[in-house]
Amino acid sequence: QQQVKQSPQSLIVQKGGISIINCAYENTAFDYFPWYQQFPGKGPALLIAIRPDVSEKKEGRFTISFNKSAKQFSLHIMDSQPGDSATYFCAASLNDYKLSFGAGTTVTVRA
Amino acid sequence: DAGVIQSPRHEVTEMGQEVTLRCKPISGHDYLFWYRQTMMRGLELLIYFNNNVPIDDSGMPEDRFSAKMPNASFSTLKIQPSEPRDSAVYFCASTPGLANAYNEQFFGPGTRLTVL
Repeated sequence: QQQVKQSPQSLIVQKGGISIINCAYENTAFDYFPWYQQFPGKGPALLIAIRPDVSEKKEGRFTISFNKSAKQFSLHIMDSQPGDSATYFCAASLNDYKLSFGAGTTVTVRA
Repeated sequence: DAGVIQSPRHEVTEMGQEVTLRCKPISGHDYLFWYRQTMMRGLELLIYFNNNVPIDDSGMPEDRFSAKMPNASFSTLKIQPSEPRDSAVYFCASTPGLANAYNEQFFGPGTRLTVL
């Protein structure tokens, strides 16, 4: 049973466009929500993370929006670049350590 | 630092054989994790350790799987006997475990296991 539901499974965006990935969770006790980026043949790497006491966090072109009442959070990639082409995973955790990952979204940025 | 080191990078074995995957975490990291990634099930946490002690092994699929961490710089994941459905990429990750911080998990390059 997947504790974090992620959509879409894949998306294609033009260079300079905005990529939006959505995640929903059920367990209201989750208090840590990271996003990981994975390139083919590599391990995932932390991209950005948020805790539920804030509604938005921005790091460069990447923004997490968090809606605690709806139990949803999303990743926005602004001004998408071909180098952003990767698989993105949302995750949630009770204690920072036991991460439950979403199924992943493969993002393709067309030049 | 070289990052998390895993060996072997690729392993091909036959059903019924014992498989041992190895991991060296980043020095100074108190937490070590083993994950399995497949197309069907995604990225699953199998087990994690804190200061060499297993904390949660609820993700270990069955008794054929076992993990050990004999010291702070080495861990193994063993599958005995292996089955074709164990074919996956196995990742090891580590994190320092700091209070009041985002505890980024640093992943190794993974071991691609194929069981024939």
